[in-house]
Amino acid sequence: GQNIDQPTEMTATEGAIVQINCTYQTSGFNGLFWYQQHAGEAPTFLSYNVLDGLEEKGRFSSFLSRSKGYSYLLLKELQMKDSASYLCAAMDSNYQLIWGAGTKLIIKP
Amino acid sequence: ETGVTQTPRHLVMGMTNKKSLKCEQHLGHNAMYWYKQSAKKPLELMFVYNFKEQTENNSVPSRFSPECPNSSHLFLHLHTLQPEDSALYLCASSQGTSGSVNEQFFGPGTRLTVL
Repeated sequence: GQNIDQPTEMTATEGAIVQINCTYQTSGFNGLFWYQQHAGEAPTFLSYNVLDGLEEKGRFSSFLSRSKGYSYLLLKELQMKDSASYLCAAMDSNYQLIWGAGTKLIIKP
Repeated sequence: ETGVTQTPRHLVMGMTNKKSLKCEQHLGHNAMYWYKQSAKKPLELMFVYNFKEQTENNSVPSRFSPECPNSSHLFLHLHTLQPEDSALYLCASSQGTSGSVNEQFFGPGTRLTVL
């Protein structure tokens, strides 16, 4: 079956760095997405990786290893506004997104 | 503001009621989606429309009935729902349905409570 695993909840300190991991098992693979969802709001797109390696976008970076079925989202210089849920989603061979349950990130001052 | 709007934002209905959720996208996208989001569970894809044609129906009970009159509008008609259908219903749109064009833009959702 198809499956996405990511931690349920993580806590980090303002100004620090946090890495949110995601492992996936899909029938075929056409890329991996990360979305951010603040409580009571819509998910918003953060990144898309289809090739191995690290992609950096300001304070956020996303990494993919296709051979390991693994991705992570790296958040640097954490700010209070980064408190949110982070959703990992892998695209299978039918271009359907398989979603993880999300990682709730709590930032403490 | 993502360019995708949903109404109503909150809905409380009894099991015998009939109601409809509305979604509109102002992004010129060709694909639209309905998702169900329950607490601590992955997003569940319900329906996909691409160029107004339904391309996915993930074993959704018939008490949920989608309608896509054009590429900008999507409806979800609800009737004789069950309490376990209470959830956040999210609409999304994307330019296409493959590769990076599958980046989906979400609406704020409708919080549905079935009594």
